[in-house]
Amino acid sequence: KQEVTQIPAALSVPEGENLVLNCSFTDSAIYNLQWFRQDPGKGLTSLLLIQSSQREQTSGRLNASLDKSSGRSTLYIAASQPGDSATYLCAVYSGGGADGLTFGKGTHLIIQP
Amino acid sequence: NAGVTQTPKFQVLKTGQSMTLQCAQDMNHEYMSWYRQDPGMGLRLIHYSVGAGITDQGEVPNGYNVSRSTTEDFPLRLLSAAPSQTSVYFCASSYSANSATYEQYFGPGTRLTVT
Repeated sequence: KQEVTQIPAALSVPEGENLVLNCSFTDSAIYNLQWFRQDPGKGLTSLLLIQSSQREQTSGRLNASLDKSSGRSTLYIAASQPGDSATYLCAVYSGGGADGLTFGKGTHLIIQP
Repeated sequence: NAGVTQTPKFQVLKTGQSMTLQCAQDMNHEYMSWYRQDPGMGLRLIHYSVGAGITDQGEVPNGYNVSRSTTEDFPLRLLSAAPSQTSVYFCASSYSANSATYEQYFGPGTRLTVT
């Protein structure tokens, strides 16, 4: 059974720092990996999708990488801002629909002004 | 496009009551699914559908029913609510269940409390 782990569980940094969130998964037979952002009491907002054949994706200040063979992904946030404070969730999809997305438990990020 | 919509946003039920959580999408997505999110457990798949008329069970299906009579709608029914079903419920959709290309979109969630 696929398992997804996110490290660290929580992170607090001053504004302006670059930071890295880590995600690991146990089964490398994935279709894709998605990073989401969740604000308190809200739904999930998709940030980046990396297909299994890709190594990285970028959107603005966000860059996500994927090393499928080692079962790892990182989300890099450049020049962090207080508005980046949220919980970041990593999820892998193995195709076919039956297992859905397998989620990590998230990294709770606080950016101090 | 409205994306994925869910109603209601909040609901309080008494043990034994039944209700239906509504989910709709206007993106012509084939694949729809329901998750519940609990503290310390993350998000877990309840049921999913790969097209109209086709549904199947996910990881935690007990106590829930689904149907998919149209592409757009995928309601989740609680048959006899129990306190263990207190959770936040999310509906998600994607263009296809069988491609690496398509991301999954989530609705805003329904926060359910069973007393």
